[in-house]
Amino acid sequence: NAGVTQTPKFRILKIGQSMTLQCTQDMNHNYMYWYRQDPGMGLKLIYYSVGAGITDKGEVPNGYNVSRSTTEDFPLRLELAAPSQTSVYFCASNGDRDYGYTFGSGTRLTVV
Amino acid sequence: AQKVTQAQTEISVVEKEDVTLDCVYETRDTTYYLFWYKQPPSGELVFLIRRNSFDEQNEISGRYSWNFQKSTSSFNFTITASQVVDSAVYFCALSVRGQGAQKLVFGQGTRLTINP
Repeated sequence: NAGVTQTPKFRILKIGQSMTLQCTQDMNHNYMYWYRQDPGMGLKLIYYSVGAGITDKGEVPNGYNVSRSTTEDFPLRLELAAPSQTSVYFCASNGDRDYGYTFGSGTRLTVV
Repeated sequence: AQKVTQAQTEISVVEKEDVTLDCVYETRDTTYYLFWYKQPPSGELVFLIRRNSFDEQNEISGRYSWNFQKSTSSFNFTITASQVVDSAVYFCALSVRGQGAQKLVFGQGTRLTINP
């Protein structure tokens, strides 16, 4: 029972580079989310999805893009990395809107 | 707008002491959920509890207890007889509805250090 799997766990990017953070869940959950956690802060919602083909912006979407072509996968794309995007990124899912999330283990991204 | 405030940035106690982590929330929704998550030094997020806005019963789970008071918009978390393994950052969160999804609004977290 893998739950929510995020890859990579760590990554260093140079300013202006692009990358995709992968997120896969095997629980057949409809709802998936991307959060970022800046040092010493709580998590903030970047994007979320209510099902395959449907995504929407959260609180801090600028500089990111997402897609949801399947129920299982919800990748997060950074097109032009900036130092302000240095953060820990968490993917999460839930199958029923009334229940708590299952979080992935996080991706620590540093932009230099 | 929804907001969660954890006024205690850091707390340090000696092992076996009781400690309470405060959480105050703001929302205009009448139906909402409140959560507590634990983030140990390893970095993952561990779900501790979810509370429905219609259920004001306090809850106890082993050494953990939660006090939900709608009148003061608070959802406080108490650890009894704290242990070193309780050292972590604890987040309170509020779930708000948005196009079918339950989006979480997090407080800034309280870093709890239990000293031996």
